[in-house]
Amino acid sequence: EDQVTQSPEALRLQEGESSSLNCSYTVSGLRGLFWYRQDPGKGPEFLFTLYSAGEEKEKERLKATLTKKESFLHITAPKPEDSATYLCAVRYNQAGTALIFGKGTTLSVSS
Amino acid sequence: DGGITQSPKYLFRKEGQNVTLSCEQNLNHDAMYWYRQDPGQGLRLIYYSQIVNDFQKGDIAEGYSVSREKKESFPLTVTSAQKNPTAFYLCASSVQTGWARAGISYNEQFFGPGTRLTVL
Repeated sequence: EDQVTQSPEALRLQEGESSSLNCSYTVSGLRGLFWYRQDPGKGPEFLFTLYSAGEEKEKERLKATLTKKESFLHITAPKPEDSATYLCAVRYNQAGTALIFGKGTTLSVSS
Repeated sequence: DGGITQSPKYLFRKEGQNVTLSCEQNLNHDAMYWYRQDPGQGLRLIYYSQIVNDFQKGDIAEGYSVSREKKESFPLTVTSAQKNPTAFYLCASSVQTGWARAGISYNEQFFGPGTRLTVL
């Protein structure tokens, strides 16, 4: 059973069409939820860290939120340059220092 | 500029060969990690090291080996025992933020650009 599940697997948007990506987790004792952006053939780029339910972080057109069982990455008025794969990862008590990653959501924004 | 470098960018391995992937960081981070990424799968942890001369196995350590002789360097060797080594390999590092009573706390991990390994 996957401990971190991201949905949808792929999302196609028109430029300016806002939407949200979901990351749900089943682990207990969350010690951080992390969002990354990954472009094809490159390493993931860190975006946000969330530690407790109710926390929100923003960066340009992206806003990440956290509840007790899931996180959302909201994309407002996306542009083609926002096209990438977005990865979610969690750290929890039994994982120690390691991160458990979801499989990612691939976002395509067309003009 | 501070960052994480990986080399080579592309690597080709023949059957039965050992190959070593390099990872160097000048961020003064304590912990370093190796992940493997396959199409349609999340990143999977191979090995990690929290301090020099110490490292721990991750979820898929079989067929791999590592060393941590210097804080800045964490090379990964893909041995001939790894039967399906073709993948994208990512190195990461993170800073340790203190020795809280509940345990060591680590911040977010920062990744290198990756090495794509292909078996011929």
